[in-house]
Amino acid sequence: AQRVTQPEKLLSVFKGAPVELKCNYSYSGSPELFWYVQYSRQRLQLLLRHISRESIKGFTADLNKGETSFHLKKPFAQEEDSAMYYCALTGYSTLTFGKGTMLLVSP
Amino acid sequence: DAGVTQSPTHLIKTRGQQVTLRCSPKSGHDTVSWYQQALGQGPQFIFQYYEEEERQRGNFPDRFSGHQFPNYSSELNVNALLLGDSALYLCASSPSSPRGTQYFGPGTRLLVL
Repeated sequence: AQRVTQPEKLLSVFKGAPVELKCNYSYSGSPELFWYVQYSRQRLQLLLRHISRESIKGFTADLNKGETSFHLKKPFAQEEDSAMYYCALTGYSTLTFGKGTMLLVSP
Repeated sequence: DAGVTQSPTHLIKTRGQQVTLRCSPKSGHDTVSWYQQALGQGPQFIFQYYEEEERQRGNFPDRFSGHQFPNYSSELNVNALLLGDSALYLCASSPSSPRGTQYFGPGTRLLVL
């Protein structure tokens, strides 16, 4: 069975501080990993996917197959980063989501 | 392109009733997936439609059924509503290629009293 675990419900940091949102997964094959973000009163949207290996809004995530992790990182948090972040994986065509981590960036 | 659209935005039903939710996919997408998001939880996969057929199904009872039309729009039907069906129902569309990026609609919030 495939599973995504996000151990933190809430992560609170100050503006300018580094951010790391944790994500661990369980999957028997070769999954594709994603981070989705939901800003207040907006729809769920894709932030980044591991195969594209790009940085979006300063966020990066590296797939670590040995540790089965896909942590989301940003060196300097901004207030506009405050949102709900979901890690997700797909084996073929459907998504399995974690429960999400609320990131709160204070001034 | 308005992206993925869903209707209605909100709905209140009573236990035992039936409900139909609608979704129009993003232009160029032919695959539609439905998810249920309970309060404080991540979205849970219900089923996926492609070429008017259910391609995959998550761990949801038969009370949850769906349909896809020739124009790729889709409906989610829930029969014999339970209080526990209260949730945000999300529709996502994607191209038919495997692992195509899924784009989400704004959701329909269903409250069952």
